Amino acid sequence: EVQLVQSGAEVKKPGESLKISCKGSGYSFTSYWIGWVRQMPGKGLEWMGIIYPGDSDTRYSPSFQGQVTISADKSISTAYLQWSSLKASDTAMYYCVRGNRYGGNPSDAFDIWGQGTMVTVSS
Amino acid sequence: QSALTQPPSASGSPGQSVTISCTGTSSDVGGYNYVSWYQQHPGKAPKLMIYEVSKRPSGVPDRFSGSKSGNTASLTVSGLQAEDEADYYCSSYAGSNGMFGGGTKLTVL
Repeated sequence: EVQLVQSGAEVKKPGESLKISCKGSGYSFTSYWIGWVRQMPGKGLEWMGIIYPGDSDTRYSPSFQGQVTISADKSISTAYLQWSSLKASDTAMYYCVRGNRYGGNPSDAFDIWGQGTMVTVSS
Repeated sequence: QSALTQPPSASGSPGQSVTISCTGTSSDVGGYNYVSWYQQHPGKAPKLMIYEVSKRPSGVPDRFSGSKSGNTASLTVSGLQAEDEADYYCSSYAGSNGMFGGGTKLTVL
């Protein structure tokens, strides 16, 4: 079964760092783009960025460029989303997603979604 | 880049058809045939319903269809069923990254 399994919920304080993970299984991890999508409480979906684990080619939405870092470790089929200094406004559900085409590109639709990681930032 | 524009709400009775629009610009929706649509039920992860404007993934009922004209894409749900009540989001490629619409809450009356 193709799936993305994300790390568990996090509660952090403003200014702290955080790295959440997304492990892919059931498919060739290096051959599909992996992205991250934010959903703030009660709000819509936001496209954050995407990485091709095969060569680490990474693209960011202008809104998230410089705010987060997306990476991947293909040896363990895991993608990451990290923050160096969290803000209260980072409180949201974060979904990792898979591009729908083998060897595709950043224009891919997202056909597999992780279960989501809830990040709460509060003092 | 601003989010793609969707109506906040739409509704229809069981058996009817409803169309949800998604308006962008020539730099996103109008410039590429990479528009996709997602369905999200409360508390659940979104599900891909349409990709590349009008293609349906395996398992998605053919009651769901997509189209595009100029800078506006549309999702049509025919033969509305109670389980179609959900939030729907469009998404488009925009050159080097993607973007989503603000979402439309579909109510089945």
